[in-house]
Amino acid sequence: DQQVKQNSPSLSVQEGRISILNCDYTNSMFDYFLWYKKYPAEGPTFLISISSIKDKNEDGRFTVFLNKSAKHLSLHIVPSQPGDSAVYFCAASDPVGGGATNKLIFGTGTLLAVQP
Amino acid sequence: NAGVTQTPKFRVLKTGQSMTLLCAQDMNHEYMYWYRQDPGMGLRLIHYSVGEGTTAKGEVPDGYNVSRLKKQNFLLGLESAAPSQTSVYFCASTLGLGEKLFFGSGTQLSVL
Repeated sequence: DQQVKQNSPSLSVQEGRISILNCDYTNSMFDYFLWYKKYPAEGPTFLISISSIKDKNEDGRFTVFLNKSAKHLSLHIVPSQPGDSAVYFCAASDPVGGGATNKLIFGTGTLLAVQP
Repeated sequence: NAGVTQTPKFRVLKTGQSMTLLCAQDMNHEYMYWYRQDPGMGLRLIHYSVGEGTTAKGEVPDGYNVSRLKKQNFLLGLESAAPSQTSVYFCASTLGLGEKLFFGSGTQLSVL
């Protein structure tokens, strides 16, 4: 039972264009969402996060949008650069099921390829 | 800054062998986690610790044991390795609730 879903295994965009990565979740109790970026042979690194009390958070070229009614969040990268090519994981924090543990539930990841 | 360091980076085991993966962090983080990454499965939590001397089961704990004798170290043990444990293992740590996780670079384990 996948509580966090990334339905697109891969995405290819041209350099300079917008990349939109999507994530859906099933548990309405999730209160905090994060995006991690992972290069081959490296561990995931934190990219951007959003609290459930907000609907948008922006950091430079990266913006995360949260639609609680649809249980959907998306990561926008504008403009996309070849160095953005990586696997992107969506993750959610469950304050009820996870308790005071800071456990994260991850999606399956989306491989983004930015073509020069 | 070293951050989160995992050893070894690669290992090949035969079925039934045992081994220990070491995770060390130098950020004085309270919380530490072991995840495994498999194709099409994302990152799944094996075990975690909310402080020195404490451990708890995650989503997929069977076949693994852990220990957190020192705050900076979190060990993951496989007592009798099975081919189903072939995976990439990631350790992560965080300062506390609501803080982002810092990950190590991973251990590629193959069980033949």
